[in-house]
Amino acid sequence: KNEVEQSPQNLTAQEGEFITINCSYSVGISALHWLQQHPGGGIVSLFMLSSGKKKHGRLIATINIQEKHSSLHITASHPRDSAVYICAVSAAHNTDKLIFGTGTRLQVFP
Amino acid sequence: NAGVTQTPKFQVLKTGQSMTLQCAQDMNHEYMSWYRQDPGMGLRLIHYSVGAGITDQGEVPNGYNVSRSTTEDFPLRLLSAAPSQTSVYFCASSYNPTSYNEQFFGPGTRLTVL
Repeated sequence: KNEVEQSPQNLTAQEGEFITINCSYSVGISALHWLQQHPGGGIVSLFMLSSGKKKHGRLIATINIQEKHSSLHITASHPRDSAVYICAVSAAHNTDKLIFGTGTRLQVFP
Repeated sequence: NAGVTQTPKFQVLKTGQSMTLQCAQDMNHEYMSWYRQDPGMGLRLIHYSVGAGITDQGEVPNGYNVSRSTTEDFPLRLLSAAPSQTSVYFCASSYNPTSYNEQFFGPGTRLTVL
């Protein structure tokens, strides 16, 4: 079993829909990262959080440390949000390394 | 700032050839790392460095070599390429030498080994 699991693996939506991507992990963590990988391949960091909630524009990330679960929400989705969203954790027992989920592929249609 | 740069963007090798993937960053970051990305799998750590002169192995280090002679550069060497090394390679950096820090990724190198 992977230490970081994401669901769903694939997601399609109509423009304007509210989207939720989930990440569950099985290790103690120092922080959790949400990353975005566009079709061109580049990876950018969206959020890094260790508790509570963060918001940036239409993106909201939440984390529940007790339940070892995080969600990434996209409000009023747009075709330009189409990308792979990757969850990664910085394990508390070894902060030298990130542990990655396999990603959620999102397609938003107009 | 150019951020994290990688060269080349694409490369085709024959089995047994060697080559070096270049990675450089101009943000004075201590932590640099190399990942490979394969279909259906998460990014996997090959090697990482917490500062100049210090390197360590990640999850999949076999067949790869690294060095960190300067803060800016972190090249990845393939000693004798194999088809199993066909992948997309990403270099990343962050300010502090831990993963508890925003990560900056390069654009990637797509490598095919025939």
